[in-house]
Amino acid sequence: AQTVTQSQPEMSVQEAETVTLSCTYDTSESDYYLFWYKQPPSRQMILVIRQEAYKQQNATENRFSVNFQKAAKSFSLKISDSQLGDAAMYFCAYAYRDDKIIFGKGTRLHILP
Amino acid sequence: KAGVTQTPRYLIKTRGQQVTLSCSPISGHRSVSWYQQTPGQGLQFLFEYFSETQRNKGNFPGRFSGRQFSNSRSEMNVSTLELGDSALYLCASSPRTGNEQFFGPGTRLTVL
Repeated sequence: AQTVTQSQPEMSVQEAETVTLSCTYDTSESDYYLFWYKQPPSRQMILVIRQEAYKQQNATENRFSVNFQKAAKSFSLKISDSQLGDAAMYFCAYAYRDDKIIFGKGTRLHILP
Repeated sequence: KAGVTQTPRYLIKTRGQQVTLSCSPISGHRSVSWYQQTPGQGLQFLFEYFSETQRNKGNFPGRFSGRQFSNSRSEMNVSTLELGDSALYLCASSPRTGNEQFFGPGTRLTVL
């Protein structure tokens, strides 16, 4: 069965610094999707970034980028120039075809002013 | 396009009662998934409906049920409520199963 593991329940980073959130997953499939979702306090969950496994190039969205290591089954999220608005719970997720999306337990990110 | 909407936003019930939550997906989205979010257990998948059929199901007791209508709107029902059912219930829609999901604001259920 596929699993998604986020080993860091909480992290803190100084404003304007860079932080990396870790995510590993387990699958025997070769063509799948990976996502990072952000859930700010008392606000809606939104998609931050998405990676298709068949693409070797790491996805990037402004200050957010991923380090996708397919062989190692690792999918970390890097946030550059951290801002106070980045404080949130971040969820890593895996999806394969018509199967349900599997979420990790989340990492709560604190931004220190 | 309007986003995913969930009603009601807040609900207080007592043990033993039943509750029905509603979710309206983004127009054109045929997949609707439901999740239970609690501080201790994180985000747990309840079930997913696609074109009125349950496609995937999580590990929840039979007290949790759902359905999807022909317009893709979905409802979930919890019968015989227990204190442990207190949670934020999130609905998410997607053009198809396994694709990026768009989440609603959630329904905060408190069971007393």
